[in-house]
Amino acid sequence: DVKVTQSSRYLVKRTGEKVFLECVQDMDHENMFWYRQDPGLGLRLIYFSYDVKMKEKGDIPEGYSVSREKKERFSLILESASTNQTSMYLCASISRDLYKLFFGSGTQLSVL
Amino acid sequence: AQTVTQSQPEMSVQEAETVTLSCTYDTSESNYYLFWYKQPPSRQMILVIRQEAYKQQNATENRFSVNFQKAAKSFSLKISDSQLGDTAMYFCAFMNPGGAQKLVFGQGTRLTINP
Repeated sequence: DVKVTQSSRYLVKRTGEKVFLECVQDMDHENMFWYRQDPGLGLRLIYFSYDVKMKEKGDIPEGYSVSREKKERFSLILESASTNQTSMYLCASISRDLYKLFFGSGTQLSVL
Repeated sequence: AQTVTQSQPEMSVQEAETVTLSCTYDTSESNYYLFWYKQPPSRQMILVIRQEAYKQQNATENRFSVNFQKAAKSFSLKISDSQLGDTAMYFCAFMNPGGAQKLVFGQGTRLTINP
């Protein structure tokens, strides 16, 4: 089974802290994604990556950056966390031949 | 840009009933994929069903089936003989298979199955 693993299930951070959310997939997928999930808004794409060191902005990139130094790992960085970044963060990777998105179990981030 | 709209924020039915979740989308593409994902309280996103736009036949997976109306840009999910384990958030999603294959999601419908 494909596994997408997010390093933390729950995180509590202070305003202004630098926050790292880590995601690792074990199926050699080229494309990886970071989504943010908020009630009533569904899932919104923050950033995605289609290869090592390659990244593109999604629909809501402001306040976030990403890093992909190895194919299996895609990190989301909040340079200076703010309270409006309190949310559920979901990482995903896609199987190109199956057109199927595999998700991690999510990180619920609270910024106080 | 593609958009996906789920107009039912919440739905509630009795166990064993049939329920239909609505989804509409907007695109100028002719080739694309549509998905329904389920997110139970565990938060793990689970693929329920997938439809390829060039296939006229509606996809089915056991108790789950879709009504795909390409001209109307409508993609509803029907759950037959609903079970308590179907209680979850349901998300409709669109994907253009070219490029980065990113999914565009709707707002979600919270479905509760009552005993």
